[in-house]
Amino acid sequence: TQLLEQSPQFLSIQEGENLTVYCNSSSVFSSLQWYRQEPGEGPVLLVTVVTGGEVKKLKRLTFQFGDARKDSSLHITAAQPGDTGLYLCAGLGGSNYKLTFGKGTLLTVNP
Amino acid sequence: NAGVTQTPKFQVLKTGQSMTLQCAQDMNHEYMSWYRQDPGMGLRLIHYSVGAGITDQGEVPNGYNVSRSTTEDFPLRLLSAAPSQTSVYFCASSPRSGGNQPQHFGDGTRLSIL
Repeated sequence: TQLLEQSPQFLSIQEGENLTVYCNSSSVFSSLQWYRQEPGEGPVLLVTVVTGGEVKKLKRLTFQFGDARKDSSLHITAAQPGDTGLYLCAGLGGSNYKLTFGKGTLLTVNP
Repeated sequence: NAGVTQTPKFQVLKTGQSMTLQCAQDMNHEYMSWYRQDPGMGLRLIHYSVGAGITDQGEVPNGYNVSRSTTEDFPLRLLSAAPSQTSVYFCASSPRSGGNQPQHFGDGTRLSIL
């Protein structure tokens, strides 16, 4: 089983601060996805990265896939209370059919 | 479109009872999967299907059965419920299998086994 380690597990910050969440593995992933989950709902896809070194931006969110495709990061600039939620990374490794999820980073942005 | 619909939203069972969690999607997606989400454990894959009539095991399949008789439906059966199966269950679908495919999740079924 290929593992994805996310850090930090919990993060509580003030509105306007910047933050970075990490997703690391000792295995190579052919692609990696980031999801956000709000209480009582299912995860919603934010982005998919497939190329080593790839950077994608989604408004104030910047996603990067490591050159070796073993790690990824999510950077949020000027966080807002609406960014509060559980951020999950997920990767497809050796099997084309089994998506592996990290345990998530629970972000709270206080007004 | 309704997307992925899961029923029921909440359920309480006694140990040893059986039940079926329903999942339906109206997007004509080939790939469907079931996950359980437990505190501190993230999402773990139970079973998945790459098309009607084809199912396979994920990471934690014991105690669960699935079938895929139609493209739209992918029910998850608990054969004899155990307290360890208390969890939030999510069904997901994507157009095809593959890591670059967006997974569309339902809103989950919250299951408690007493």
